[in-house]
Amino acid sequence: DAMVIQNPRYQVTQFGKPVTLSCSQTLNHNVMYWYQQKSSQAPKLLFHYYDKDFNNEADTPDNFQSRRPNTSFCFLDIRSPGLGDAAMYLCATSRGVSEQFFGPGTRLTVL
Amino acid sequence: GQNIDQPTEMTATEGAIVQINCTYQTSGFNGLFWYQQHAGEAPTFLSYNVLDGLEEKGRFSSFLSRSKGYSYLLLKELQMKDSASYLCAARINAGNNRKLIWGLGTSLAVNP
Repeated sequence: DAMVIQNPRYQVTQFGKPVTLSCSQTLNHNVMYWYQQKSSQAPKLLFHYYDKDFNNEADTPDNFQSRRPNTSFCFLDIRSPGLGDAAMYLCATSRGVSEQFFGPGTRLTVL
Repeated sequence: GQNIDQPTEMTATEGAIVQINCTYQTSGFNGLFWYQQHAGEAPTFLSYNVLDGLEEKGRFSSFLSRSKGYSYLLLKELQMKDSASYLCAARINAGNNRKLIWGLGTSLAVNP
């Protein structure tokens, strides 16, 4: 089945220790998104790739970086996680501006 | 600014019908999405409206009025598994791209 896969599903890191979250897709969608979602809040778009073009949201902290080495894979790097970065991180894909398909998410805990 | 409003919580009974409203104030509006999100899981796509009117998809229907900045999601024949958060999201034109502005979600509890 075509899908969006995120690894790991649960990630525990220490305060200040870099962490990388990964996302892959078999949908062959050209757009990939990274969202942060905290409890009882709406998903917050961090950035997205439209094909190879990187689009950063103005309020995304510099602590968050992303890489998209090819169509299928996208990575979220958190350079120095703080306690406030504990959240669910959602990867989504779309074909152009059509509906977004979400992966299961990675729940990040910062100790 | 860009803003989306929807009720925080709703309660309904199994087998009943419930309507979840969403109002939006956005510039560059380009369509309205509804997503369902169960606790601890990712959002899943339910419906999309870009033109005024009603879109029906099985037990779920969605309505849009662009002139009023208003949408609703209608759930019929409610089942226990429909207990979830329902997120309204407006797609807007943002420079050379389009992005979604998300509401905070409406938490629906379906009781027996």
